[in-house]
Amino acid sequence: QMQLQESGPGLVRPSETLSLTCAVSGGSISSTSYYWAWIRQAPGRGLEWIGSIYYNGNTYYHPSLSSRITISLDMSQNQFSLKLNSLTAADTAVYYCARQHTKSNCFDPWGQGTLVTVSS
Amino acid sequence: DIPLTQSPSSLSASVGDRVTITCQASQDIANYLNWYQQKPGKAPKLLIYDASNLETGVPSRFSGSGSGTDFTFTIDSLQPEDFATYYCQHYNHLLITFGQGTRLEI
Repeated sequence: QMQLQESGPGLVRPSETLSLTCAVSGGSISSTSYYWAWIRQAPGRGLEWIGSIYYNGNTYYHPSLSSRITISLDMSQNQFSLKLNSLTAADTAVYYCARQHTKSNCFDPWGQGTLVTVSS
Repeated sequence: DIPLTQSPSSLSASVGDRVTITCQASQDIANYLNWYQQKPGKAPKLLIYDASNLETGVPSRFSGSGSGTDFTFTIDSLQPEDFATYYCQHYNHLLITFGQGTRLEI
């Protein structure tokens, strides 16, 4: 059964760059049947899709975040990563990685999530 | 961008009740609508995909229906473990959006 696990710093300073990694086990990120996605949830708020990447490196990002985001794949480690720059307090959230099915564009499974706090 | 309007934002119910949540799109999205359950401190869990297809392993008391602009998510005979927040989600032209969520409370 596929599992995803996020890793990265829990605290980042304003204006800095957040780097998160999602390690995938129980399946390969080189599958043509899935995208690999990042989603976040600010405290007490709803879900916000950040962006997705396909096995061939094609990416698509939320328009409001696209200027600050880079999502990439590491096939050798079977993982994918998120970089988000120019952080502000508004970027404080739980960040989830998830597998996105290409046919239905639904997310399953999800990682457990990692809380990132932006504060000096 | 096709916003999703999910209602109600919160709902109180009792064990054994039947509850319905709606998700409305501003334009026709065919059946491209998914539903999730999220419990406090946990990642969301996929329940329904393509508007009406029950994800493997999800109890049959959960169901979804609709197409076009109006969608419905129903839980028949609420169980104690069903009290959670529910989200709809849509994909269109390389943009993914979630509804605002419905908090289902006892």
